[in-house]
Amino acid sequence: AQTVTQSQPEMSVQEAETVTLSCTYDTSESDYYLFWYKQPPSRQMILVIRQEAYKQQNATENRFSVNFQKAAKSFSLKISDSQLGDAAMYFCAYRSAGGAQKLVFGQGTRLTINP
Amino acid sequence: DGGITQSPKYLFRKEGQNVTLSCEQNLNHDAMYWYRQDPGQGLRLIYYSQIVNDFQKGDIAEGYSVSREKKESFPLTVTSAQKNPTAFYLCASSIFASPTRETQYFGPGTRLLVL
Repeated sequence: AQTVTQSQPEMSVQEAETVTLSCTYDTSESDYYLFWYKQPPSRQMILVIRQEAYKQQNATENRFSVNFQKAAKSFSLKISDSQLGDAAMYFCAYRSAGGAQKLVFGQGTRLTINP
Repeated sequence: DGGITQSPKYLFRKEGQNVTLSCEQNLNHDAMYWYRQDPGQGLRLIYYSQIVNDFQKGDIAEGYSVSREKKESFPLTVTSAQKNPTAFYLCASSIFASPTRETQYFGPGTRLLVL
């Protein structure tokens, strides 16, 4: 079974600075998808960024980018120019390319932005 | 507006009572999912459905039941057999005919409390 581990329960960063959230996963599959979701105080899960395992190029979405290291099974999220609205829980998630449709989530990292 | 709606926002259950959580989407998405989130935890899959009148158990289906009579609707019933139902419940959906078909989009959630 696949597992996802986020080793940083909490992180904090100064506004306008850059922060990196870590995620590692365990799988024997070669084709899969990885996601970062944001959960603000409203508790709705919002997609931040996705990465296809077959793509070597790291995904980027405006101020958000990932460092995908397939051999190391690592998928970190970098947030540049941090803003107060970035404060939230961040969850890393894994999905197989075939078979079960489920997302496997990590435990989450709580990100605090200091003004 | 297109989106996923969940109701009610808060739900209280008495001992031995069955309660039903509503999930509706007007995105014409094919697949729908129910996840449970406990405090300080990631999400765990309860049930999912890829097509009308068909659904599969997730990792923690015991004590829950679902139906999928319409494409737009995927209600979740928390039965009296679920001994620890207090949690935050999130519904999600995804579309097959899309370059990003693996991506799941979430509703705002329902918080269930036991009286």
